[in-house]
Amino acid sequence: QKEVEQDPGPLSVPEGAIVSLNCTYSNSAFQYFMWYRQYSRKGPELLMYTYSSGNKEDGRFTAQVDKSSKYISLFIRDSQPSDSATYLCAMRDGSNYKLTFGKGTLLTVNP
Amino acid sequence: GAVVSQHPSRVICKSGTSVKIECRSLDFQATTMFWYRQFPKKSLMLMATSNEGSKATYEQGVEKDKFLINHASLTLSTLTVTSAHPEDSSFYICSASSGGRALEQYFGPGTRLTVT
Repeated sequence: QKEVEQDPGPLSVPEGAIVSLNCTYSNSAFQYFMWYRQYSRKGPELLMYTYSSGNKEDGRFTAQVDKSSKYISLFIRDSQPSDSATYLCAMRDGSNYKLTFGKGTLLTVNP
Repeated sequence: GAVVSQHPSRVICKSGTSVKIECRSLDFQATTMFWYRQFPKKSLMLMATSNEGSKATYEQGVEKDKFLINHASLTLSTLTVTSAHPEDSSFYICSASSGGRALEQYFGPGTRLTVT
């Protein structure tokens, strides 16, 4: 079993839809959870990070972490064509910087 | 804030030559910098971690003599691919961390290396 599993998609939604992106993981030591957005041929951009379980909201984005289920989610409300990108989840334990990434989900928001 | 630049954005070199990629944190001091490779439609693979003024720590399977990393200052790290081969062609991305609570990493725009 891979440490982090993420459905690669592709996921295609109409503009204005609510998008749900998810990752599961196996390492119970992970404490910090991040979501990155990567446009084609660009470096990843940090969207949000969450420590331990709970929810965090930033504008149209909401990150959820359920450590009991080893499951994290990113919700995008009122999705826009500019949200079209690959979304990568990443996580790490508390002992060092090393991030473990999911493979990324390719999202397309159609106008 | 938290801007990281990379130079060059794209480079083509001949097999057997060396190429240097620079990574700079523009508006913060990066205590730690990271170098990743990313293959098409694949996730990021960490190659090495470097702290300013000390030797880089390489991940298992990454040849330290082939991928030379220098972190000479709190705003600059370089990756030199020595004696490049076509299989070294990839997208190389650096990231930098200022040591915030979550030790969040900020990524550069990446460098596309093609070895002919």
